[in-house]
Amino acid sequence: DAGITQSPRHKVTETGTPVTLRCHQTENHRYMYWYRQDPGHGLRLIHYSYGVKDTDKGEVSDGYSVSRSKTEDFLLTLESATSSQTSVYFCAISEGGGRTHNEQFFGPGTRLTVL
Amino acid sequence: KQEVTQIPAALSVPEGENLVLNCSFTDSAIYNLQWFRQDPGKGLTSLLLIQSSQREQTSGRLNASLDKSSGRSTLYIAASQPGDSATYLCAANNNAGNMLTFGGGTRLMVKP
Repeated sequence: DAGITQSPRHKVTETGTPVTLRCHQTENHRYMYWYRQDPGHGLRLIHYSYGVKDTDKGEVSDGYSVSRSKTEDFLLTLESATSSQTSVYFCAISEGGGRTHNEQFFGPGTRLTVL
Repeated sequence: KQEVTQIPAALSVPEGENLVLNCSFTDSAIYNLQWFRQDPGKGLTSLLLIQSSQREQTSGRLNASLDKSSGRSTLYIAASQPGDSATYLCAANNNAGNMLTFGGGTRLMVKP
């Protein structure tokens, strides 16, 4: 299995509070991704990173920000959590992008509940 | 915008059957198509990746095919086992940012 860990694995928080989820990889892969998985919507990309300090938006980026200061860590921040952000969040990595080395490997997920 | 569909949404078969899971996509300009397995409450496990220049990939009892012209991929599972019970997801990658567009999944139950 790819060396991907996510923390915390479970979190319950209240509306309006800031939340930061962490993804850590030991594979030295260049690309990292944050997805959310919801019943009826499947998995959707929030943000991704193609290198240290290089990030871009995905399909459902509103209300989320990301940072990548080191190759191994990719942080997802909900500045002010809302109930619509209750979801399971998955981090993924890939060695490269585009047409080569683009297989994605997923972490175990973080279940976030916003009350 | 890419759309990915998986039919059926659920499938129940007796142990030992060979089965085919279907995945269709609307934009044929893909870089690759990836099949995943997800067990309840778990993350996604990558099963097979087919690059756009390939027609199929095999891993053990699994074989995935890709037909870009018709916008279809199939995952063939030979001699199914109860341990194959899980949700199977396909995902298409058709941009340089590597964004995967996922299908809704097929929930497979293999009965002993």
